[in-house]
Amino acid sequence: NAGVTQTPKFQVLKTGQSMTLQCAQDMNHNSMYWYRQDPGMGLRLIYYSASEGTTDKGEVPNGYNVSRLNKREFSLRLESAAPSQTSVYFCASSEWGDVQPQHFGDGTRLSIL
Amino acid sequence: SQKIEQNSEALNIQEGKTATLTCNYTNYSPAYLQWYRQDPGRGPVFLLLIRENEKEKRKERLKVTFDTTLKQSLFHITASQPADSATYLCALSHTGTASKLTFGTGTRLQVTL
Repeated sequence: NAGVTQTPKFQVLKTGQSMTLQCAQDMNHNSMYWYRQDPGMGLRLIYYSASEGTTDKGEVPNGYNVSRLNKREFSLRLESAAPSQTSVYFCASSEWGDVQPQHFGDGTRLSIL
Repeated sequence: SQKIEQNSEALNIQEGKTATLTCNYTNYSPAYLQWYRQDPGRGPVFLLLIRENEKEKRKERLKVTFDTTLKQSLFHITASQPADSATYLCALSHTGTASKLTFGTGTRLQVTL
């Protein structure tokens, strides 16, 4: 019972390189989310997908794109990485609705030089 | 602008005592408030959810209160144990937002013998 799986766990990029972070959940959840976590800033929502086929911007979407590939998978793409995107990225999933708890993966630690 | 404040200083407490963590918010009228636990190098794990019309919620040794007049939630761990040492995050959401959460920065709890 894996829950939410994120790959890779660690990555180092050079400025300007592109990269896709992968996320898959096996709980049959409708909604999925991408957050970034920086020291002193807390978790901030980048993009979310309320259900398969829909995506919406969160608080900090600039520099990112997402794809909801199917109900299980939600990927986050950095087209041209910048040092300001150095962060820990978390994917989460939940049942659709207002009061659903979110289930998180263990994150991808991304450094951009 | 909306702001969620959690004590950024670590809370050190002796085993067996009750730990109380605070979450304050301004310029916000949340319908729901959630508490998560995060261990180093791991993603957040859901603990408790409380609605705006609920004053208190309990689960085993955990208790959460939600005071919409004071704009504050308190999170209590009774009979604390070293295994309770972690960072605790509060998160707020409105109705009709498909579980979009706004997180506080978290408070680190250290329980010593």
